[in-house]
Amino acid sequence: DADVTQTPRNRITKTGKRIMLECSQTKGHDRMYWYRQDPGLGLRLIYYSFDVKDINKGEISDGYSVSRQAQAKFSLSLESAIPNQTALYFCATSATTGNKDYGYTFGSGTRLTVV
Amino acid sequence: DQQVKQNSPSLSVQEGRISILNCDYTNSMFDYFLWYKKYPAEGPTFLISISSIKDKNEDGRFTVFLNKSAKHLSLHIVPSQPGDSAVYFCAAIKAAGNKLTFGGGTRVLVKP
Repeated sequence: DADVTQTPRNRITKTGKRIMLECSQTKGHDRMYWYRQDPGLGLRLIYYSFDVKDINKGEISDGYSVSRQAQAKFSLSLESAIPNQTALYFCATSATTGNKDYGYTFGSGTRLTVV
Repeated sequence: DQQVKQNSPSLSVQEGRISILNCDYTNSMFDYFLWYKKYPAEGPTFLISISSIKDKNEDGRFTVFLNKSAKHLSLHIVPSQPGDSAVYFCAAIKAAGNKLTFGGGTRVLVKP
């Protein structure tokens, strides 16, 4: 099983619908992140959580919300999806203390299309 | 305003030759710089990193060079192999914040 699992892998939804993307991890990491990837813009941070009950906005949080249900679970919600939220979404985890790679582990991504 | 930029969206290189990927940054407070590799339908995976107090780090075929005065780093892949064809992201992090900031990515195609 993957260390970081994202569901669903692909999703097509209609404008205005609420949608939730889920992420679970078996790494035992405290820190979890949601990024979105757009062509030419790389990965941009949406929200992050350094522990259960800790939620922080990233650089592009408008239109999104998150929930850290447990140490291993971090979900991302689009309250009312719009077409420019069409993107590839990645969940990541990291250890509390840094090492040479800062211990970031990414999931395989969720491709979301809003029509 | 992007703090980490990769100005070349794509690069094509012949197998066996050198691939050079470039990255520029604006924030002098970054402590570490990292390169991630991404294949289609997979998440990014860590490739190599360099501390801001170093100017070179080498790991097998991969070498990263850091020029702090120019706020520039580069990744050299020698020799390039077809399996190196992927998208490469430059990233930077401040140790205190522990949040990666990514560049836009460079798509590398290694031709046999």
